[in-house]
Amino acid sequence: KQEVTQIPAALSVPEGENLVLNCSFTDSAIYNLQWFRQDPGKGLTSLLLIQSSQREQTSGRLNASLDKSSGRSTLYIAASQPGDSATYLCAVFQGGSEKLVFGKGTKLTVNP
Amino acid sequence: DVKVTQSSRYLVKRTGEKVFLECVQDMDHENMFWYRQDPGLGLRLIYFSYDVKMKEKGDIPEGYSVSREKKERFSLILESASTNQTSMYLCASTPSIGGISYEQYFGPGTRLTVT
Repeated sequence: KQEVTQIPAALSVPEGENLVLNCSFTDSAIYNLQWFRQDPGKGLTSLLLIQSSQREQTSGRLNASLDKSSGRSTLYIAASQPGDSATYLCAVFQGGSEKLVFGKGTKLTVNP
Repeated sequence: DVKVTQSSRYLVKRTGEKVFLECVQDMDHENMFWYRQDPGLGLRLIYFSYDVKMKEKGDIPEGYSVSREKKERFSLILESASTNQTSMYLCASTPSIGGISYEQYFGPGTRLTVT
């Protein structure tokens, strides 16, 4: 059974710092991996989608990488801002199903 | 932009009531999903549908049912609401190409409280 783990569960950094969020998964037979952002009490906003054949995707200050063989993905946030404060979740689309398997998220706080 | 809308942002119901949560997407997506999200437990899949009138159980279907009569609309039904169904409910949709699902889009969520 696929399991997705995100470490750390919470992270607090000063504004301007570059940071990395980690996601690991146990079964490498995935179609894709998606990173989401969730603000308190709100739905999830898709940030980046990486197909299983890709190594990375970039959007603005965000860069996500995927190493399928080792079961790892990272989300790199450059020059963090207070507005980046949110919970970040990663999820994998499992091969052979239509379902996403989610990690429990990393709660990021960027202090001014 | 893909839009997934949910009928209510906040809902308060009494124990034993029948509750309907509605979700509508405007991008002709084949697949639609209902999740609940609870502190410490993360997102858990309740039901999903990959076509009109088709449904599949997720990880926690007990106490819930679903309906998909039209492609754009996916309803979650709590037949007899209980206090342990107090939660944030999230709807999502995704296109399916060749049987592979792509980017998943979420609605704003419904915070349901059962008293």
